[in-house]
Amino acid sequence: SQQGEEDPQALSIQEGENATMNCSYKTSINNLQWYRQNSGRGLVHLILIRSNEREKHSGRLRVTLDTSKKSSSLLITASRAADTASYFCATEAQGGSEKLVFGKGTKLTVNP
Amino acid sequence: GAVVSQHPSRVICKSGTSVKIECRSLDFQATTMFWYRQFPKQSLMLMATSNEGSKATYEQGVEKDKFLINHASLTLSTLTVTSAHPEDSSFYICSAGRPGLGRPSEQFFGPGTRLTVL
Repeated sequence: SQQGEEDPQALSIQEGENATMNCSYKTSINNLQWYRQNSGRGLVHLILIRSNEREKHSGRLRVTLDTSKKSSSLLITASRAADTASYFCATEAQGGSEKLVFGKGTKLTVNP
Repeated sequence: GAVVSQHPSRVICKSGTSVKIECRSLDFQATTMFWYRQFPKQSLMLMATSNEGSKATYEQGVEKDKFLINHASLTLSTLTVTSAHPEDSSFYICSAGRPGLGRPSEQFFGPGTRLTVL
């Protein structure tokens, strides 16, 4: 299976700043999901956006989806040191298999 | 909430031995479970899809005889790494799917198992 690409691979910002991460993928999808992973830990589901949606908000998170460009972005506003983690996008392809294909991830560091 | 546990969280074994990792959905029945592996600083790679009561479906390039998957009940799937070698050292993560009414099936991830083969 092909993986998506996230950019940047690493991002370092100051507390209070906004962080934007991008994800591109290659196949037609049912939905796209963003996950967070703290070092050496499991994944935490952040937000799911369906293929017919263009934007979704959850607290300080804002996700956009452009299916024509096969890309998505995750914006974290007013970042905190506790947001330091790796962030992955994952796509569920059309066809109902439920399989997720993960992107390579963006390592975000928020400096106090 | 939906909780998925994995056991053990960390295991160190000698080369040539077999290691079994358990994945349990604690408060829901999982029709499907997925097994991933993750190398340091890399993404998750799907290894196989496990359906209760049937054979697992392996992704291309994953040796089914090396990574034995058993999904004996709706709450338990096991991954056995047979004749482990140092190159099998990795972080193994499972997820359990719970179909949602009128919405995409959600996947809930376990905390992962760190396997180190000496």
